[in-house]
Amino acid sequence: GQSLEQPSEVTAVEGAIVQINCTYQTSGFYGLSWYQQHDGGAPTFLSYNALDGLEETGRFSSFLSRSDSYGYLLLQELQMKDSASYFCAVAGNTPLVFGKGTRLSVIA
Amino acid sequence: ETGVTQTPRHLVMGMTNKKSLKCEQHLGHNAMYWYKQSAKKPLELMFVYNFKEQTENNSVPSRFSPECPNSSHLFLHLHTLQPEDSALYLCASSGRGSGNTEAFFGQGTRLTVV
Repeated sequence: GQSLEQPSEVTAVEGAIVQINCTYQTSGFYGLSWYQQHDGGAPTFLSYNALDGLEETGRFSSFLSRSDSYGYLLLQELQMKDSASYFCAVAGNTPLVFGKGTRLSVIA
Repeated sequence: ETGVTQTPRHLVMGMTNKKSLKCEQHLGHNAMYWYKQSAKKPLELMFVYNFKEQTENNSVPSRFSPECPNSSHLFLHLHTLQPEDSALYLCASSGRGSGNTEAFFGQGTRLTVV
């Protein structure tokens, strides 16, 4: 089967850095994706890692270690608008499988 | 605009009503999904269709009935729902050139059962 684990909640201070971890078990693994969802909105795609290492896109970076079945999303210079839920998802030879999401609260 | 369109955006229905949610994508994707999301809770996978064939039914009650007439359209037929079925229902699609690496979500239908 397939499963993903990520923390349910994280709280961080505005301007700080926060890391959201994701571990997975799956077969036919292609890569790991991250999605952001604000309250009342639809999830939107943030990043995708197919290879080991760090991918940077502005304030957000995503990391993958295939040997450890582990990845993380790194958010820098946190802003209040970053308060949202963040989902990791496994891409493979089956339709996407999503984690249960991490609710990030950014406080002043 | 993600290329996935859901209608209606909001729906209020009584427990004895029958209604349908519609999802449409013209991204050439082969997989389509229905998710349920209750208030401040994670995404809950309901159904998956791959090339019009249902590949997953995540123990969803029979009062929810999906239909996928072609790879571009997905419906969720609702009948005799319960108040606890009130939630945001999200449709998504993935596939084609990028494989199943990225999903595109519609804006969802906010369903209230009264």
